[in-house]
Amino acid sequence: GAVVSQHPSRVICKSGTSVKIECRSLDFQATTMFWYRQFPKKSLMLMATSNEGSKATYEQGVEKDKFLINHASLTLSTLTVTSAHPEDSSFYICSALTETETQYFGPGTRLLVL
Amino acid sequence: AQKVTQAQTEISVVEKEDVTLDCVYETRDTTYYLFWYKQPPSGELVFLIRRNSFDEQNEISGRYSWNFQKSTSSFNFTITASQVVDSAVYFCALSEIPGGGADGLTFGKGTHLIIQP
Repeated sequence: GAVVSQHPSRVICKSGTSVKIECRSLDFQATTMFWYRQFPKKSLMLMATSNEGSKATYEQGVEKDKFLINHASLTLSTLTVTSAHPEDSSFYICSALTETETQYFGPGTRLLVL
Repeated sequence: AQKVTQAQTEISVVEKEDVTLDCVYETRDTTYYLFWYKQPPSGELVFLIRRNSFDEQNEISGRYSWNFQKSTSSFNFTITASQVVDSAVYFCALSEIPGGGADGLTFGKGTHLIIQP
């Protein structure tokens, strides 16, 4: 199956700093990628849909100025958590959509904001 | 709107017991797809199965089996002769696109399965 990577796998940062998370499709091109957020012992919630070459589509309640998404190429989408606060601590998972509309998930990034 | 309900928050069984994880869904679409994913402690989502709304045949894959019943809007997952390695959080998910497609997946809240040795 297709492979999706995320970097970093784990990050700890101070409150007020910005953190960038990368999502890469390693062996296929993905026009569309998704960003999910998962709180401890909770389900995955779709945050936004990232479209190559255009603006991301955010789900209701997700602050687009807080969570900046850039999908600059067909194999890379980035999520930047700006001015991170402790409540932004979470597990962030991306997925990439193949041409056959199958989602493949990345391994996730654990963010801890102190 | 789509909705997936996994009423069992946590299940604990002793190794070698059979266990069934329940999943009930809601959708207005006549064509839809149901998924099960496994999330071990490492966090990575492992795809287990996809079933479309037109195929109600039960499926078996080794110790895993799935029971899809449109009449009750359920897609239950059974593990036979459970093993410690089966311990994980299991998510049921729903989409109107085969691969979980352009609108993303709607996930249930997950069932934490604990298999005790």
